[in-house]
Amino acid sequence: QKEVEQNSGPLSVPEGAIASLNCTYSDRGSQSFFWYRQYSGKSPELIMFIYSNGDKEDGRFTAQLNKASQYVSLLIRDSQPSDSATYLCAVNPGGYNKLIFGAGTRLAVHP
Amino acid sequence: DADVTQTPRNRITKTGKRIMLECSQTKGHDRMYWYRQDPGLGLRLIYYSFDVKDINKGEISDGYSVSRQAQAKFSLSLESAIPNQTALYFCATGATSGAYNEQFFGPGTRLTVL
Repeated sequence: QKEVEQNSGPLSVPEGAIASLNCTYSDRGSQSFFWYRQYSGKSPELIMFIYSNGDKEDGRFTAQLNKASQYVSLLIRDSQPSDSATYLCAVNPGGYNKLIFGAGTRLAVHP
Repeated sequence: DADVTQTPRNRITKTGKRIMLECSQTKGHDRMYWYRQDPGLGLRLIYYSFDVKDINKGEISDGYSVSRQAQAKFSLSLESAIPNQTALYFCATGATSGAYNEQFFGPGTRLTVL
């Protein structure tokens, strides 16, 4: 079982819709959770992090964390074609100073 | 100016050659990381360093070595390159003072081993 799992996609949504990206993790002791956006051929860019159960909002982005169910999600409201990218979920396992990355979900927003 | 730089950005080399990838940062971070990215496999950690005298192996360190020349510089070497080391390589940095272990990535080096 992979430590951090994401659906590879592609997830296709129309412009203006809400895109929902999900991630599950195996280490119950994980402490902090990150969402990175990666455009094709470019480096990952940190867009959100969350460490407490519940929701965290930043502009059009909302990260949701449920530690009991071991999942973290990213909602993108009013999706734009410029949001088309691969979204990487990363988890900081408890007691370790490093991140474990999922393989990413490719999002395609079509006009 | 970019906070994390990598050189070269692209490199084509032949099997058996030694190659060095370099990473420099102006973020003042003490932690530095090397990852490789392959299609469908995500980012995998090769080596990481928490200060100049600290070097740690990641999940896929075989065939690689690193050098932390200064707080701001972290180099990755392939002593004898092989074709399955063809990948996109990223350097990342992070701060010990960062509460949640967030990391920031350089632009990447695309390496092709023929």
